[in-house]
Amino acid sequence: DQQVKQNSPSLSVQEGRISILNCDYTNSMFDYFLWYKKYPAEGPTFLISISSIKDKNEDGRFTVFLNKSAKHLSLHIVPSQPGDSAVYFCAAKGGGSEKLVFGKGTKLTVNP
Amino acid sequence: NAGVTQTPKFQVLKTGQSMTLQCAQDMNHNSMYWYRQDPGMGLRLIYYSASEGTTDKGEVPNGYNVSRLNKREFSLRLESAAPSQTSVYFCASSPDRGRGEQFFGPGTRLTVL
Repeated sequence: DQQVKQNSPSLSVQEGRISILNCDYTNSMFDYFLWYKKYPAEGPTFLISISSIKDKNEDGRFTVFLNKSAKHLSLHIVPSQPGDSAVYFCAAKGGGSEKLVFGKGTKLTVNP
Repeated sequence: NAGVTQTPKFQVLKTGQSMTLQCAQDMNHNSMYWYRQDPGMGLRLIYYSASEGTTDKGEVPNGYNVSRLNKREFSLRLESAAPSQTSVYFCASSPDRGRGEQFFGPGTRLTVL
């Protein structure tokens, strides 16, 4: 049973446009959501997070939106840059556990 | 600060061989984790340690053992490697009462023939 789902394995956008990566979850006990970025042959790196008490968190070009009623979150990257090309993982934690549950990832390609 | 370090970076084993993957962190974190990443499967938790001397199974613990040697080090052992354990292994650590942010090592690419 997949608790965190990223239904798009890949996404391709043009440089300068907006990239929107989506994530759905099923566990209502999740209270913190995170996005990680992973380049080939490197470990994942933390990008941005959001608490369940908020519906938006912004950090530079990156914004995460949370819709609790729909159990859906999205990561917006504006404007997209070729260096943003990577695999993006959505993750969630909650219920008093520090363990993260990861989605399968979305590979973003930003074309020059 | 080196962050999270892992050794080795690459390893090839034959079926039935054993090996230990090493992980160390210098951020004074209590929690440490071992994940495996397989194509199309995302990151799956193998084992977790909330503090020195404690370990807990994750989603895919079968075929693995772990040791939390001290606060800095968390090792993963394959006693009898199988081809299904071919994967990229990541170690991570996290601070207490954080936002859930985990810091990852660079990974170990393991192939079992």
